[in-house]
Amino acid sequence: DSGVTQTPKHLITATGQRVTLRCSPRSGDLSVYWYQQSLDQGLQFLIQYYNGEERAKGNILERFSAQQFPDLHSELNLSSLELGDSALYFCASSAHRVGVQDWENTIYFGEGSWLTVV
Amino acid sequence: KNEVEQSPQNLTAQEGEFITINCSYSVGISALHWLQQHPGGGIVSLFMLSSGKKKHGRLIATINIQEKHSSLHITASHPRDSAVYICAVPYSGGGADGLTFGKGTHLIIQP
Repeated sequence: DSGVTQTPKHLITATGQRVTLRCSPRSGDLSVYWYQQSLDQGLQFLIQYYNGEERAKGNILERFSAQQFPDLHSELNLSSLELGDSALYFCASSAHRVGVQDWENTIYFGEGSWLTVV
Repeated sequence: KNEVEQSPQNLTAQEGEFITINCSYSVGISALHWLQQHPGGGIVSLFMLSSGKKKHGRLIATINIQEKHSSLHITASHPRDSAVYICAVPYSGGGADGLTFGKGTHLIIQP
């Protein structure tokens, strides 16, 4: 158990719909990352939040957005869903401290949320 | 954006064999990650290293920062090592960035 909790584990929805994926990071971890894993694109970095603020953006579509709340949990919102958005969405967290031992900045992955768009 | 190349893409070996997976990246980095993904999807971080060599049990990871290259070795391989092994580096090279990933190495260890 990584300590990172994602819900829901599975989700089936129709094209054009909007869904929200939720992530609770490991206790005390300030950084939350969202990744998408699809058969054709592999694993891709979407976005990172640090202590409530957006820190870095990767290949996130404009139809997708995220936020991190004061209790550090995060949500990834996917709208106007297309068939190609079907993927496994991972959340990960890390302590994100500069100048400390490597193990404190190890990244821990949740089990993922399987999204199927039909 | 950092680019990551991993080889081989697929590897089948017999139990007990010494396994090597290679990873090269394009932009200088602060640390490199080796990850393991089992069927069913869960991803586990095996190593995070910024220089030299690290060892956990039968797994050894090495990195050469100057050559932008890392290797993951498995000694005395076992069928339970069968998984996808993924190399990952910071998306833009530094700090605790999001990661960019290699395509993974599908490893099958046959009894």
